[in-house]
Amino acid sequence: GAGVSQSPSNKVTEKGKDVELRCDPISGHTALYWYRQSLGQGLEFLIYFQGNSAPDKSGLPSDRFSAERTGGSVSTLTIQRTQQEDSAVYLCASSLDVGTAVYEQYFGPGTRLTVT
Amino acid sequence: DQQVKQNSPSLSVQEGRISILNCDYTNSMFDYFLWYKKYPAEGPTFLISISSIKDKNEDGRFTVFLNKSAKHLSLHIVPSQPGDSAVYFCAASGTNAGNMLTFGGGTRLMVKP
Repeated sequence: GAGVSQSPSNKVTEKGKDVELRCDPISGHTALYWYRQSLGQGLEFLIYFQGNSAPDKSGLPSDRFSAERTGGSVSTLTIQRTQQEDSAVYLCASSLDVGTAVYEQYFGPGTRLTVT
Repeated sequence: DQQVKQNSPSLSVQEGRISILNCDYTNSMFDYFLWYKKYPAEGPTFLISISSIKDKNEDGRFTVFLNKSAKHLSLHIVPSQPGDSAVYFCAASGTNAGNMLTFGGGTRLMVKP
């Protein structure tokens, strides 16, 4: 079956513009996560969607960042008024999420965002 | 205040020898630990995991060891192969720490033929 897909694979934008990044999770996975990896850094958690519950937004770095998940499937991460420090690879992951068990997360290939 | 640390940014090993990648954590609420492998321009790929109720989990050439008292885990790869060359990330999670993963900074493993 298909894995997690993300689009676009690369995005170059000018400082101050808004960008939207898309994630299609694995079918049947109820949990969806966004992370980012800045140059030379580890992966930083941004936001977590679990089923129909309110998302965990505790990792979003500023109010310029927002995400939504429509119909419990596709998710869009929006960055408004982009800044150069937003340049990073944005990774989406999905997993099963049932009860209190922890399941492995499966990652997409990422979107490389460059803000000029 | 990094909760998960990989203190070695890189490691070079000869093909056929053992690779040992280390990871330390500080949050005692973590009860599930994972290793991911990442090739350039690809997302991380799940490799192996261990629950805090165990101290060892083995899968083929890969073994993860967990020392809860030291808050330390390690990934052993034996024998190492050139195709193992990648960046390895340690990650931790917990039902009481949120299901999101907290990642270490990664260790770049280079296996020389």
